[in-house]
Amino acid sequence: DGGITQSPKYLFRKEGQNVTLSCEQNLNHDAMYWYRQDPGQGLRLIYYSQIVNDFQKGDIAEGYSVSREKKESFPLTVTSAQKNPTAFYLCASTRTPEGTGELFFGEGSRLTVL
Amino acid sequence: GQNIDQPTEMTATEGAIVQINCTYQTSGFNGLFWYQQHAGEAPTFLSYNVLDGLEEKGRFSSFLSRSKGYSYLLLKELQMKDSASYLCAVMDSNYQLIWGAGTKLIIKP
Repeated sequence: DGGITQSPKYLFRKEGQNVTLSCEQNLNHDAMYWYRQDPGQGLRLIYYSQIVNDFQKGDIAEGYSVSREKKESFPLTVTSAQKNPTAFYLCASTRTPEGTGELFFGEGSRLTVL
Repeated sequence: GQNIDQPTEMTATEGAIVQINCTYQTSGFNGLFWYQQHAGEAPTFLSYNVLDGLEEKGRFSSFLSRSKGYSYLLLKELQMKDSASYLCAVMDSNYQLIWGAGTKLIIKP
């Protein structure tokens, strides 16, 4: 079955450490996204990529980095520069490069900073 | 600024009908989405409206009025499994999604 796989599901980090969240899709989708979800707030876009080797900053890109070396993969690194990284992180994809149409989400990664 | 408003929480009874409203103010409009999200899980797509009117899909229906900047999600014959958060999102003129904070729906027996 096609879908989006995120790992790890739960992650604990000490302050000052970088962590990388994995996102892999086998849907052959062009566009991929990283969102952050905090209680009581709407989803906020961190980064998105419409094509391999290209990506764009979203609304809250500071303290995060991404790469898109393969169509299937869009990992997110949460760096030590991110002031408040504890959150639920969601990776998603859409069929079209423009991002129209429904989003398909991974199961999410919950990051906790100790 | 761009804004999506939806109630924070609603309570309904199993077997009943509930309507979840969403109002929006965005720079342009290229469609409105509804997603369902169970606690601790990822959102899943429910509906998409780009033209005015009602779209029905089984027990769930979604309505859009572009002139009023208003949509609602109607859930009929509520089941306990419908307990979840319901997210409203609008695609603006730049094809960027603007998300509401979500409505937590609690179903009581």
